[in-house]
Amino acid sequence: DIQMTQSPSSLSASVGDRVTITCQASQDISNYLNWYQQKPGKAPKLLIYDASNLETGVPSRFSGSGSGTDFTFTISSLQPEDIATYYCQQYDNLYTFGQGTKLEIK
Amino acid sequence: EVQLVQSGAEVKKPGESLKISCKGSGYSFTSYWIGWVRQMPGKGLEWMGIIYPGDSDTRYSPSFQGQVTISADKSISTAYLQWSSLKASDTAMYYCARRRGDLGAFDIWGQGTMVTVSS
Repeated sequence: DIQMTQSPSSLSASVGDRVTITCQASQDISNYLNWYQQKPGKAPKLLIYDASNLETGVPSRFSGSGSGTDFTFTISSLQPEDIATYYCQQYDNLYTFGQGTKLEIK
Repeated sequence: EVQLVQSGAEVKKPGESLKISCKGSGYSFTSYWIGWVRQMPGKGLEWMGIIYPGDSDTRYSPSFQGQVTISADKSISTAYLQWSSLKASDTAMYYCARRRGDLGAFDIWGQGTMVTVSS
């Protein structure tokens, strides 16, 4: 099994802040890494696919980078509507989600 | 509009069986894999398994192999997740999601089905 470790597990930031979440795979997964946003009571939403590709319709303040085992998700300027839990997900070998990062407004 | 619509919330007793559904519309249902994801109350997302409705090729997470059965009826564009004997620990929200083409990203999600197992 491939394990995905996200950090931090929770994060408090102010509107306008740059926010960064990391995701580490237990083995090399190339760029087979996606990022999702889940707001309370809602289904997850795809934001970034293949580590760095922005899904259609997703604001450009969201971005992703990385390859191999280390990946980063960034919100360049936090907005109030970005309050959610964010998950990484690998698909190199079956599928595994990270444990999630809960983002709150300070 | 491309969408997945799941069946409604269920309340069951331990030991009962259950089959929940996920109906696709607005796209070629037989051409995209459909995955199932569990979310226990207050917890994260767990991938359970995936099926290709075109030929019913199915893969399971080792954590869920033997615990659930995934199936599909392509004639009615519907995927299913079923249990033969529910446990209290099966209480969770269950989502179906479409995998986009050759990518491993789940781009369309159902609204979720809440399953509550309680005596």
